[in-house]
Formats: sequence, C-alpha cells, structure tokens
Amino acid sequence: NAGVTQTPKFQVLKTGQSMTLQCAQDMNHNSMYWYRQDPGMGLRLIYYSASEGTTDKGEVPNGYNVSRLNKREFSLRLESAAPSQTSVYFCASGGVAYNSPLHFGNGTRLTVT
Amino acid sequence: DQQVKQNSPSLSVQEGRISILNCDYTNSMFDYFLWYKKYPAEGPTFLISISSIKDKNEDGRFTVFLNKSAKHLSLHIVPSQPGDSAVYFCAASPLGSGNTGKLIFGQGTTLQVKP
Repeated sequence: NAGVTQTPKFQVLKTGQSMTLQCAQDMNHNSMYWYRQDPGMGLRLIYYSASEGTTDKGEVPNGYNVSRLNKREFSLRLESAAPSQTSVYFCASGGVAYNSPLHFGNGTRLTVT
Repeated sequence: DQQVKQNSPSLSVQEGRISILNCDYTNSMFDYFLWYKKYPAEGPTFLISISSIKDKNEDGRFTVFLNKSAKHLSLHIVPSQPGDSAVYFCAASPLGSGNTGKLIFGQGTTLQVKP
C-alpha cells in the first residue's frame, strides 16, 4: 500500500520557469492538501481540496495553482518560479474527521535559482 | 505572527529517560491539537492528538497534556528510545474549520535520544 506518492523527489528550476508537482493517494480519502516547509517556519498550508472538484486557498497560496484531477490526484503548479518558492513541498490526504489525521508523502525538494 | 510556537529548537535526552516537548499557542479558537514526527527525507507521520475538551491523552509511551488556561501543550515520551530521534511538530486545528487537515504547525523540535 503506497499511501501518498509525490513526484519528483528533487527539482532545480531557474527563475521564471514553470513546473507541476504531482501527488497521488490510494487511501480513498476525499481531502487532499499541499504544504510547504521552510527552515524555522514549520509547515504552511498552500492549497487544499476538501473533495473532488473543489479547491480552496490556504495560508500561503500566492504564486501557486492547483488541480484536483480526480479523487486520487492533486497537483500543484508553479507558473513562474521565484527564489522565494525554494522549499520542501509535502502533499497530504485525509484529515477531515477528528479520527482521520493527515497522511503525508515524502516531499519534493525544490530549488529555484 | 506565529500562532503555534515550539520555542525549543532541539532537545537531547538519554535513552530510557523522559522526553518532554513543549508547544504554546496564541489562538484560543484552536480546538484540536496534534503531534507529528518527521524523520529526514520522509514526510511527517501522525503520532498523537488531543481534543480541547480533554486535558490528557495517552497512547503507549506517548502522552499529550493540554493546559487551555496557559495555552500550552506538551508531549511526554517515556521511556525514550534512540528510534524516537526525529523532528517533532506540534499542530493545531481552528475551531469550526470543520477540517482537521487545515493545520497550523509549530516550527518543530529536534529530539536526539542518546544510547
């Protein structure tokens, strides 16, 4: 059982380039999330999708777009990467009910030069 | 403005002793609190949680205490084991959000358990 799978694991971009981070879960969860982790900041919510067909902004959505492709997949897109978007990105699923904590993927380490 | 704070970046304890990790929050509207553990190059994994209507929750070696009047929670690990060495994140869910995946995280505390 894979859980939450993120691709790629590592990526280096030049300022202004675009890319899409992919995420898929096989736990049949309705809700999916994108967080970023920066040193000294903990994890911060970028966007989430409470169910297939819906997406909402989190705490730090600027510079990102998301697509909930189907129940399994939730992608995060950087249209024009900036050095401030250098971070580790985590996708997660679950988390709506009190007995359903988040399950995280292993992250994508993104560097923007 | 950090609503969830873990003021100790690191903690070192001897194997077999108690580890106490602390977390403070400023928003009295948080109603659910969680602890996640993170190993290098992996995603965070859920450890234990507590609802704001309780003051203690226990799961094996792990106990979380909540002091609402002080806006403080702590995670106790007894006895500590070398495999517990990891980064521990405290997280909180806002009241009425209806979604315990929309979390506010602390900065994390790196725990080292020495054999």
